[in-house]
Amino acid sequence: GESVGLHLPTLSVQEGDNSIINCAYSNSASDYFIWYKQESGKGPQFIIDIRSNMDKRQGQRVTVLLNKTVKHLSLQIAATQPGDSAVYFCAENINGYALNFGKGTSLLVTP
Amino acid sequence: DTGVSQNPRHKITKRGQNVTFRCDPISEHNRLYWYRQTLGQGPEFLTYFQNEAQLEKSRLLSDRFSAERPKGSFSTLEIQRTEQGDSAMYLCASSPDRGEEKLFFGSGTQLSVL
Repeated sequence: GESVGLHLPTLSVQEGDNSIINCAYSNSASDYFIWYKQESGKGPQFIIDIRSNMDKRQGQRVTVLLNKTVKHLSLQIAATQPGDSAVYFCAENINGYALNFGKGTSLLVTP
Repeated sequence: DTGVSQNPRHKITKRGQNVTFRCDPISEHNRLYWYRQTLGQGPEFLTYFQNEAQLEKSRLLSDRFSAERPKGSFSTLEIQRTEQGDSAMYLCASSPDRGEEKLFFGSGTQLSVL
C-alpha cells in the first residue's frame, strides 16, 4: 500500500557533525511534506515543510531536500547539538486534510 | 501558554472502564485532529473536525471511540469499555484552516489499560 517510510531507524552522530535523515514515500500524488521532531514525553514539534513544487528549503540549521523522481525526502541538520537528540518523523499530506506519518528515526547526538 | 493543551497527561485505567480525554486547541484554529501513537511508531490519524463538524474518521476509530467538538472549540475523545490494545499516546493537533496544512500538536495523553 501507499506509505511513508524511513531508511534508518536509528542514527548516532557526534556533536558538531552534520546529520542526514532520510525518508521514502510512495504516493506520487502527495504535494506537501513535513518534518517533525519528537522528544520523549512530548508531542511532535514542527521543524520544516516543503511543497512538491520545490526541491529544497532551508531553515535555521535545517534543510529539507525533495527528490520527486525517486520519491525521496531528506532532513539535514547542520552542526548537530545534544538538544537535537530526538525522534524525527517525516509526514505527507495524502488527502488534503490529514498527515500520514512514517515510523521515525531516532537521532542520538554524542559528545 | 497559547499552544494545544491536553488533559490529563497520563491516565491509568482498568480494562472495561470508560475514559475521556480533553483537548483545547490553539485559539482561532478551525481544524482539530486526534491521532494515536504507540511505542516506536509514528502518529496514526483517528479523526478530525472542521469547527464543530466531524468530517473524517479513520478505520482505526472503532465504535467504542467517540469524539466531539460541540462548540467548535475544545474537543473530547471518549473510549468505552477500554481494552489493553487501547494503551497508547493520544495526540491532539490543530491548524488554522484549509490553507495551512501544518499541524500543531499537544503533548498528548498517555493511556495505560491494565
